[in-house]
Amino acid sequence: AQKVTQAQTEISVVEKEDVTLDCVYETRDTTYYLFWYKQPPSGELVFLIRRNSFDEQNEISGRYSWNFQKSTSSFNFTITASQVVDSAVYFCALSEAPSNYQLIWGAGTKLIIKP
Amino acid sequence: SQTIHQWPATLVQPVGSPLSLECTVEGTSNPNLYWYRQAAGRGLQLLFYSVGIGQISSEVPQNLSASRPQDRQFILSSKKLLLSDSGFYLCAWTQQGPDPAFFGQGTRLTVV
Repeated sequence: AQKVTQAQTEISVVEKEDVTLDCVYETRDTTYYLFWYKQPPSGELVFLIRRNSFDEQNEISGRYSWNFQKSTSSFNFTITASQVVDSAVYFCALSEAPSNYQLIWGAGTKLIIKP
Repeated sequence: SQTIHQWPATLVQPVGSPLSLECTVEGTSNPNLYWYRQAAGRGLQLLFYSVGIGQISSEVPQNLSASRPQDRQFILSSKKLLLSDSGFYLCAWTQQGPDPAFFGQGTRLTVV
């Protein structure tokens, strides 16, 4: 069965530190998609990235980077030089064709960046 | 560009009262539409999804219902609210296939 695990319930770091949010997934399909979303205190979920299972290249977007490793079924998210505005809940999600691409969500990691 | 509107932003309703939350999408056609609920400090729970007008799938049996009267309109309803219906309700849409979901701003419902 599909499953997404975000083992870190809450992480607290001081501004400018690097922080990595872990995401481990389970799927039986060979074609699947992984996502990260950010939920700031305002509540709206903001899409950050989508990766498909055939593309294991790491992605970098400014201070954000994602490390996709099929060997460990992980899709980790790193924020470099964290800022207070990065404080939010971050969700990892999985979708695949057999479930009609419905998103399977992790429980989320609350990230607190202290000034 | 596509946008999603969800209202109201906040709502306080007494137990036993009806509920109607509305969500509309602009700039796209035939989207998949979703209603999620998020309890305080918790993850996302899918309540309903719709792949077309009048087509509603329920993920969790409960006191709520959903309807899709038009292609880009999705409504979440209840005839009689319970205290346990309190939460943060999010509407989302996707195109067909593995496209990312885009979310509305959410409705914070408090049942008193």
